[in-house]
Amino acid sequence: QVQVVESGGGVVQPGRSLRLSCAASGFTLNGRVMHWVRQAPGKGLEWVAVMSSDGTSKTYADSVKGRFTMSRDDSKNTLYLEMNSLSPGDTAIYYCARESHSSGRCGTFDYWGQGTLVTVSS
Amino acid sequence: DIQMTQSPSSLSASVGDRVTITCRASQGISNYLAWFQQKPGKAPKSLIFAASSLHGGVPSKFSGSGSGTDFTLTITSLQPEDLATYYCQQYDSYPITFGQGTRLEIK
Repeated sequence: QVQVVESGGGVVQPGRSLRLSCAASGFTLNGRVMHWVRQAPGKGLEWVAVMSSDGTSKTYADSVKGRFTMSRDDSKNTLYLEMNSLSPGDTAIYYCARESHSSGRCGTFDYWGQGTLVTVSS
Repeated sequence: DIQMTQSPSSLSASVGDRVTITCRASQGISNYLAWFQQKPGKAPKSLIFAASSLHGGVPSKFSGSGSGTDFTLTITSLQPEDLATYYCQQYDSYPITFGQGTRLEIK
């Protein structure tokens, strides 16, 4: 049974850092393209970042480029999102999602986690 | 960036009705269009990919169509459990972008 479970959210002060985790089960992250998508309270969905199936290539939204970093621990089958220099605009539920289908340039998703809430506030 | 515009932003329909939601891309995206359903307080659920292909387990009451810049999601035989916000997403090029969402209310 495919499942992704996010964790690591919480309340953090502006300018500080936080690391989110996305534990996968029922499939192996090594070999799958994975994404992070976020949703500010009461707002729509915003794509954040993607990691290639071999983990060597990452692409980020302009809004987080230079501040957020995706990584992966294959031994734990876990994906991470390291978030630095956080601002109130980063307050959102963060979802990890598995890519299912691709245009050859980017893709869409089949499985989503339940999300983890990050609140940036002093 | 490719802008995705959904209409209407909200709609109200009765049990048993058929509803259609429209999504328009700011440039041609072939059929690289997906639809998601998000129920209140829940994570999004993937419904459709490649404009018209249903993900496994998605009931046939959901259907999608379109190509290029104009796409539709149709829901037939509306039920109370279809209350949700529906989003379209383009995956023709990065950055991946979503429509602003269509909130479906059941009368």
